[in-house]
Amino acid sequence: KAGVTQTPRYLIKTRGQQVTLSCSPISGHRSVSWYQQTPGQGLQFLFEYFSETQRNKGNFPGRFSGRQFSNSRSEMNVSTLELGDSALYLCASSSGSTAPRSPLHFGNGTRLTVT
Amino acid sequence: EDKVVQSPLSLVVHEGDTVTLNCSYEVTNFRSLLWYKQEKKAPTFLFMLTSSGIEKKSGRLSSILDKKELFSILNITATQTGDSAVYLCAVEVSGAGSYQLTFGKGTKLSVIP
Repeated sequence: KAGVTQTPRYLIKTRGQQVTLSCSPISGHRSVSWYQQTPGQGLQFLFEYFSETQRNKGNFPGRFSGRQFSNSRSEMNVSTLELGDSALYLCASSSGSTAPRSPLHFGNGTRLTVT
Repeated sequence: EDKVVQSPLSLVVHEGDTVTLNCSYEVTNFRSLLWYKQEKKAPTFLFMLTSSGIEKKSGRLSSILDKKELFSILNITATQTGDSAVYLCAVEVSGAGSYQLTFGKGTKLSVIP
């Protein structure tokens, strides 16, 4: 079974630009979550989508947004990039059902560098 | 505010040693606790714990949860250089059916030959 696939692997952007990251979940998984990982803050929850609906959102500014398509693939968008947005962005998928809950399986991430 | 604290933050051991990694938490609406291993990019899933006192084992790794004292430990016996990684503890909090993990900062384990 193929794992969670994220593209691109690396991105370099300039302050003020916007960026779109893509995530394809494990086949059959309907829940997709996004996390930001930085050396200082560790892994922080951005948002979770299930069946094209955002179910939960972390404490990030509105510049961070996402969406999920009918095939469960997800994209996240960051507008008006700031230097502090430089991070590893991880996507994770799970079956999304409440019982039994399957653990999150992570992709390899997209390394975003903002200059 | 939900909080997950891991200790120690880093650890250096020799091959063959046994290590114990700690994770304590303060969260509302606890659902489960998970351990992940992160070597380069993707955190890989190790264990999911939901019940107190039941040890989960996988080879040389084992983990147990204490829901009364709000902590979990991850044990690695007979360590190997391939165990060198950051070990992440995360707690799932329930709410409105959504799936959100709160992570600790991780324990960086270095195993030297």
